Amino acid sequence: AQKITQTQPGMFVQEKEAVTLDCTYDTSDPSYGLFWYKQPSSGEMIFLIYQGSYDQQNATEGRYSLNFQKARKSANLVISASQLGDSAMYFCAMREERMGAQKLVFGQGTRLTINP
Amino acid sequence: GAGVSQSPRYKVAKRGQDVALRCDPISGHVSLFWYQQALGQGPEFLTYFQNEAQLDKSGLPSDRFFAERPEGSVSTLKIQRTQQEDSAVYLCASSTGQQETQYFGPGTRLLVL
Repeated sequence: AQKITQTQPGMFVQEKEAVTLDCTYDTSDPSYGLFWYKQPSSGEMIFLIYQGSYDQQNATEGRYSLNFQKARKSANLVISASQLGDSAMYFCAMREERMGAQKLVFGQGTRLTINP
Repeated sequence: GAGVSQSPRYKVAKRGQDVALRCDPISGHVSLFWYQQALGQGPEFLTYFQNEAQLDKSGLPSDRFFAERPEGSVSTLKIQRTQQEDSAVYLCASSTGQQETQYFGPGTRLLVL
């Protein structure tokens, strides 16, 4: 079963607009972490934001925020005031922390294109 | 400070050749991970080290894949008798410890002809 689902293969947004990238997940582990990474064409995965399953508030990091809806098992990334440099692939990932598991499980990614 | 570095950045191998991919983690990071990313896909976990101990190798696709980290810092991923399906980007990540954020290197793009 797919643990991380990103349903938007591609998104096109005008510069300065806000954008929401969708991510749903599936786990029976009560303790887990959710991550978003950005992968520009250079290939490096850049960490953006983290949300723990027990965190009461949505995570924020500068222009990035994570809309965490635990009951719906969704962890959407919101980018405010998009910039041309935001054009990249974006991956949602989950770490199930039961029994000390460390690996990240990634979704298929969403390619975001910011138009001037 | 310096991030995770990987070498070579690009590798072309003939089918059947052995290859070795190197990862230098961030200084002081005790946890090290290898992932494989096929074209157009998200990365998939291969293996995980805590210091020199390989604690999880459940993602290694076959016994042709072997990873080591003998002194708890630099790691090498070795692929023996490469096949075309091994063509992918191999990403290395490190973290300060358990349950911490993983920081990735630029990857090694392997093409097997």
